[in-house]
Amino acid sequence: DVKVTQSSRYLVKRTGEKVFLECVQDMDHENMFWYRQDPGLGLRLIYFSYDVKMKEKGDIPEGYSVSREKKERFSLILESASTNQTSMYLCASEDNRGASGTQYFGPGTRLLVL
Amino acid sequence: GEDVEQSLFLSVREGDSSVINCTYTDSSSTYLYWYKQEPGAGLQLLTYIFSNMDMKQDQRLTVLLNKKDKHLSLRIADTQTGDSAIYFCAESSGYSTLTFGKGTMLLVSP
Repeated sequence: DVKVTQSSRYLVKRTGEKVFLECVQDMDHENMFWYRQDPGLGLRLIYFSYDVKMKEKGDIPEGYSVSREKKERFSLILESASTNQTSMYLCASEDNRGASGTQYFGPGTRLLVL
Repeated sequence: GEDVEQSLFLSVREGDSSVINCTYTDSSSTYLYWYKQEPGAGLQLLTYIFSNMDMKQDQRLTVLLNKKDKHLSLRIADTQTGDSAIYFCAESSGYSTLTFGKGTMLLVSP
């Protein structure tokens, strides 16, 4: 079974803090993704990565950065957290050798920025 | 850009069939997906259909694709309370990222 884990289920931070959200997958997948999920807006893609040290901007990259130093780990960084970044953050991984778009999701991190 | 639309809410009684509908705009969509999200959890892939197929059946799930109308539906037979969740439709043109709909909340009452 594919397993995607996220470092925290719930996180509370203050405005201006630097926040790291970690995601690890154990299936040697090349592709990894970060989304945020907000009521009424569905899932929006923040960043994705096709390989180690590679990153691509998604639909809403502003205020975020990412790091992929190892294949299994994809980190999302909020350089200076703001209240409008309060959201549910979902990480996913995908095996690009199989059927395209079969993404496997982690359980999510619910972030509250005060 | 590409867009995927779903109705936001569906309520059914236990034992009935549920039909969740989705429309998409990208004519180059290669794969179409249904994901399920239970409360407090991430998304779980339910099923997917390749664009050259009209129908796919998997136990209680039936996916119908009308490529001409760009319409996708998910039918759940004999709906159970455990099927209560948010269902996301998504499409991919096969190159990279998925485009998700906003999700349909299915509520199954006893």
